[in-house]
Amino acid sequence: AQSVTQPDIHITVSEGASLELRCNYSYGATPYLFWYVQSPGQGLQLLLKYFSGDTLVQGIKGFEAEFKRSQSSFNLRKPSVHWSDAAEYFCAVGTGAGSYQLTFGKGTKLSVIP
Amino acid sequence: NAGVMQNPRHLVRRRGQEARLRCSPMKGHSHVYWYRQLPEEGLKFMVYLQKENIIDESGMPKERFSAEFPKEGPSILRIQQVVRGDSAAYFCASSLVATNEKLFFGSGTQLSVL
Repeated sequence: AQSVTQPDIHITVSEGASLELRCNYSYGATPYLFWYVQSPGQGLQLLLKYFSGDTLVQGIKGFEAEFKRSQSSFNLRKPSVHWSDAAEYFCAVGTGAGSYQLTFGKGTKLSVIP
Repeated sequence: NAGVMQNPRHLVRRRGQEARLRCSPMKGHSHVYWYRQLPEEGLKFMVYLQKENIIDESGMPKERFSAEFPKEGPSILRIQQVVRGDSAAYFCASSLVATNEKLFFGSGTQLSVL
């Protein structure tokens, strides 16, 4: 069975600083990988996803993520964080074409210092 | 174009009562998924429904939990005789076809059992 680990429960960064949120997955084949963001009182919003091809994926709001098969990782990055990025971030894995379930990590809460 | 609507946003029940959580999918979506997020855990898949059919309930607890998605009206997640361990955030997602590639999530229902 697949699993997702987000090692950091809570991260605090200063506005304008760079950000990297870590995600490691466990799955035997090539996974489908996702990053979602949940702002307070909101539903989960898809930031970006990786299915195949270029391992560097661009998403919305200036986020990007890189799939590294050798490290089983799919870390989320942003070069300059804005105060509005404060939220909880979830990494998720799907098991490929035709699947409908997602397995989520426990989430990383991001706080931004003005 | 309204997104996935869940209500109520917050639900408080005493032990032994029933909880009914509602989910209206996005317009045109006939596939609905329920996920549960226990405190300090990631979202976990519970059940997948299509109109009038339960397709996959592999993540549902064997007792007290049921789900339906009638021909008319919202999908309902029903929890009978709630216990404190049922306290969690319950998220609903919908999609146009059976896929995890393009899920739209609601804001969730926070269930608190006293």
